[in-house]
Amino acid sequence: AQTVTQSQPEMSVQEAETVTLSCTYDTSESDYYLFWYKQPPSRQMILVIRQEAYKQQNATENRFSVNFQKAAKSFSLKISDSQLGDAAMYFCAHKTGANSKLTFGKGITLSVRP
Amino acid sequence: DVKVTQSSRYLVKRTGEKVFLECVQDMDHENMFWYRQDPGLGLRLIYFSYDVKMKEKGDIPEGYSVSREKKERFSLILESASTNQTSMYLCASSPRGTRGTDTQYFGPGTRLTVL
Repeated sequence: AQTVTQSQPEMSVQEAETVTLSCTYDTSESDYYLFWYKQPPSRQMILVIRQEAYKQQNATENRFSVNFQKAAKSFSLKISDSQLGDAAMYFCAHKTGANSKLTFGKGITLSVRP
Repeated sequence: DVKVTQSSRYLVKRTGEKVFLECVQDMDHENMFWYRQDPGLGLRLIYFSYDVKMKEKGDIPEGYSVSREKKERFSLILESASTNQTSMYLCASSPRGTRGTDTQYFGPGTRLTVL
């Protein structure tokens, strides 16, 4: 069974600074995918970024990038130049290649200080 | 853009009532999912469906059932609501893809309170 661990329940960052959200996972599969989802207050959950395990290059989407350490089973999200609109709950998630089901971590609440 | 809608944003029901939560997606996705979101527990999968009339139990199916009569619609049913089913319920859909292309798209959620 897959597990996803987000050990920090809350983090805070100053506007325009950089913050890193941690995530570790456990899987016995070699073909899998990792995701970060964002859930703004009272708004819909949206996909921030995804990483294919077979790709060595870290995924990047504008101000969002990941640090994927396959051997350590670590998948952290870096948010650069933080903006007030980045304040949200962030979930790390994992799926295997053969299965459409996602396994989520417990989430982390990120606040952004103006 | 993919659109996933849920019938209610907020719902208040009484213990013992039968409750229907409806989810509709407009992107012809094969897969649909029902999650429950509770503080400190993240999202937990209740049921999912990979085709019309097909369903599979998730991690916490007890007390719930589902129905998928049409491809675009996936219903979650609480046969006899209990107070411990007070929660946020999220619906999601995804295409049947390969190589991880089956990204899930979420609805806005239904906050259910059972009194």
